[in-house]
Formats: sequence, C-alpha cells, structure tokens
Amino acid sequence: DVKVTQSSRYLVKRTGEKVFLECVQDMDHENMFWYRQDPGLGLRLIYFSYDVKMKEKGDIPEGYSVSREKKERFSLILESASTNQTSMYLCASRWDRILPQHFGDGTRLSIL
Amino acid sequence: DAKTTQPNSMESNEEEPVHLPCNHSTISGTDYIHWYRQLPSQGPEYVIHGLTSNVNNRMASLAIAEDRKSSTLILHRATLRDAAVYYCILFGGSQGNLIFGKGTKLSVKP
Repeated sequence: DVKVTQSSRYLVKRTGEKVFLECVQDMDHENMFWYRQDPGLGLRLIYFSYDVKMKEKGDIPEGYSVSREKKERFSLILESASTNQTSMYLCASRWDRILPQHFGDGTRLSIL
Repeated sequence: DAKTTQPNSMESNEEEPVHLPCNHSTISGTDYIHWYRQLPSQGPEYVIHGLTSNVNNRMASLAIAEDRKSSTLILHRATLRDAAVYYCILFGGSQGNLIFGKGTKLSVKP
C-alpha cells in the first residue's frame, strides 16, 4: 500500500514564526500536493509539484512556499505564520495525472 | 472540471447495503468519476474510480449510468467503520488537483 507520511499530527506555533510541514511518500510518485481543509470550505489546493524542483501554485498560495529537493519529499513552508493559517493541512501524492491521489493523515496546525 | 451533486447526508444500518448517489449531468467524455471518503480526523482515502464501465474492488462497487450523467457508489455490507464523508469527484486528467465538494456524510447505525 502507498504510504504518505506527514511529520506531525498536531503542531502549535506562534504568530510570525517560520513553520515547516514535511511530507514523505514511499511509492516513487511523480506528483505531490499540499491542501488545507477548513470547515465549510472543503479542501483547497495550496501548491503542487509535478517533479523534483518543480512547483505550481494552486488556488491559495499566498503566505506559503514549497520545496521539493527529492522526489519522495515535499515541504510546505509558512514564511511568517499568521492566525488565519490555523487549519488542517493535507499532503497527497499520485503516480500520474489520471491515477488516484493518496493522502496523509494530516497535520492540525494552530497558530497562536 | 464539471460539477457533482450529492445528498448532504444518508443513514444506513450495519450490515446492510448502502447506495450513495452522485449526479454529474455536465460530465465530459474524458472525465473519470472518482470516489474518496474521509473518516473523522483522517485524510481522504481513495475508494474507487471509473470511466464508463461498472467497477468493483475490495472496498466497493461503482455503478455508472449508461449516459454517464450519474453514478452510484455501493458498499455491499456497511460497517461502523464505513461512517465517513464520501466525495464524488470528476477528474479530467489534467495536471491539476481534485476538487472536493461537500460530499455525503454517511452515518451507520448498529
């Protein structure tokens, strides 16, 4: 089975901090995604990556950046955390564009 | 990507079959029908997908109408562990993301 592992299930940070969320997949998938999920708003795409060192903005990239130095790892960076970035963050990966995405269990991030 | 319509919620009894409907009247010829579910406090989980023919796997069956304007996810014997939000998503195979709607919240009664 595909395994997508997010580094933390729960994280508490302070306003203004630089926050790193890590995601690792073990199936050599080309594509990786970062979403956030908020009540009433569903899942929204922040960034995605087709391959190593490649990235594309999703629907809500403001305040975030990403890094993909190795195929298996996709990092989401909150440059200067703000309270409106308190959310559930979900990472996903897939082999190619028509195959299903596989999700991690999410990181519930609280910014105080 | 085309839009889907699902009931907000459904109830089922344990060990009975469950039919979760999805309407997608504006589906295009290249859209795949994907189903995901999300259990409480977990990330979405892939369930099944199909294009034209009915599909079966170990988790569920997917019945696709002949005109492809609707589909039904079938759980053959619901268990308490199947209580989740089920999402029906059309995906045209572009490089982009899946667009999750509100889904159907399935409750399973013992």
